[in-house]
Amino acid sequence: AQTVTQSQPEMSVQEAETVTLSCTYDTSENNYYLFWYKQPPSRQMILVIRQEAYKQQNATENRFSVNFQKAAKSFSLKISDSQLGDTAMYFCAFMKLSGTYKYIFGTGTRLKVLA
Amino acid sequence: EAQVTQNPRYLITVTGKKLTVTCSQNMNHEYMSWYRQDPGLGLRQIYYSMNVEVTDKGDVPEGYKVSRKEKRNFPLILESPSPNQTSLYFCASRPGQVYGYTFGSGTRLTVV
Repeated sequence: AQTVTQSQPEMSVQEAETVTLSCTYDTSENNYYLFWYKQPPSRQMILVIRQEAYKQQNATENRFSVNFQKAAKSFSLKISDSQLGDTAMYFCAFMKLSGTYKYIFGTGTRLKVLA
Repeated sequence: EAQVTQNPRYLITVTGKKLTVTCSQNMNHEYMSWYRQDPGLGLRQIYYSMNVEVTDKGDVPEGYKVSRKEKRNFPLILESPSPNQTSLYFCASRPGQVYGYTFGSGTRLTVV
């Protein structure tokens, strides 16, 4: 069975600085997708970024980028030039490309951006 | 506006009183799911549906029912709620297998 681990329950970063959130996963699958979702205090879940496992190039979305290390089963999220609006809970998710295409979510990292 | 609409946003109920949380999407998505979010546990899937009349259990289906009679609607039914079902619930939809989910705004349910 697949598992997703986010080992940092809480983090903080100064405004305008860079922060990296870690995510590791365990799977025997070769084809899968990985996601980062953001949940601000409004509790709306927002898709931040998506990575296909077959792509070696790391996904980037404006100030958000990932460091995908397939062999190490690691999928960290880097937030550059942190803004107060980045304060949120961040969830990492894994989806295998077979069967039910089910998502497995991590337990989340609460990020606070300090002014 | 493309969205997933959940209602109600907040609900307090008593043990044993049947309730339904509605979910509707206007994007013609095939996949829909229900999740519950609990502190320290992340999001866990309750039920999912891959199309009309096709539903299946997720990881924590006990005490819940769903139906998918129309593509746009996927209600979550608690026949006899218990306090351990107090949680934050999310409905989500996606157009196909390899896409990210669009989530509703959540329903905070308290069972006393």
